Amino acid sequence: QITLKESGPTLVKPTQTLTLTCTFSGFSLSTSAVSVGWIRQPPGKALEWLALIYGDNIERYSPSLKTRLTITKDTSKNQVVMTMTNLDPVDTATYYCAHRQDLPHAFDFWGQGTMVTVSS
Amino acid sequence: QSALSQPASVSGSPGQSITISCSGTSSDVGSYTLVSWYQQHPGKAPKVMIYEVTKRPSGVSNRFSGSKSGNTASLTISGLQAEDEADYYCCSYAGGSTLNYVFGTGTKVTVL
Repeated sequence: QITLKESGPTLVKPTQTLTLTCTFSGFSLSTSAVSVGWIRQPPGKALEWLALIYGDNIERYSPSLKTRLTITKDTSKNQVVMTMTNLDPVDTATYYCAHRQDLPHAFDFWGQGTMVTVSS
Repeated sequence: QSALSQPASVSGSPGQSITISCSGTSSDVGSYTLVSWYQQHPGKAPKVMIYEVTKRPSGVSNRFSGSKSGNTASLTISGLQAEDEADYYCCSYAGGSTLNYVFGTGTKVTVL
């Protein structure tokens, strides 16, 4: 059974750096066919894909946020960590991590999400 | 990379069929058979309903079907039920130089 859970701060000040951790179970992030992604959703707005890391350590980023994002993995801890720098109130959102694999090619398992508010 | 374009809202009566469109470009929807659709109820995480344009995950009702023509993908819900009222998002792989993903703007489905 695949599960994922996001953790991190609920309140961050503008200009600070956000670090979110996705702790997962039920799969191994050790092959190129499997990846974990981050997706966010501002209140009342649409989903936005942010980043993805494959089991072979290939990283992919949203072009509009690439300069602010870093995604890493710790295979031994079954964790994926995403950092976002220079936070702004517009980054207020629920942040989800999700499992993706080549077959089926979809974000097929999602965490419950964690709400992050950026405010002074 | 712009979000895929979806109608803001679609409605239908119980038992009817509705179709949600997802308009992209030749760089995403038009180039890959890697479009997926997600259902999201209020306060919940998204759930995949269709993947690779037409395929249904195990456990998803066969009332949900997907298709694609050119740069536009579509999700059809037949035999609309009250439980189908939710937000729906399409998502496409967008290769090229960035090799990323792009979601749609979302559609609110209302069962009248």
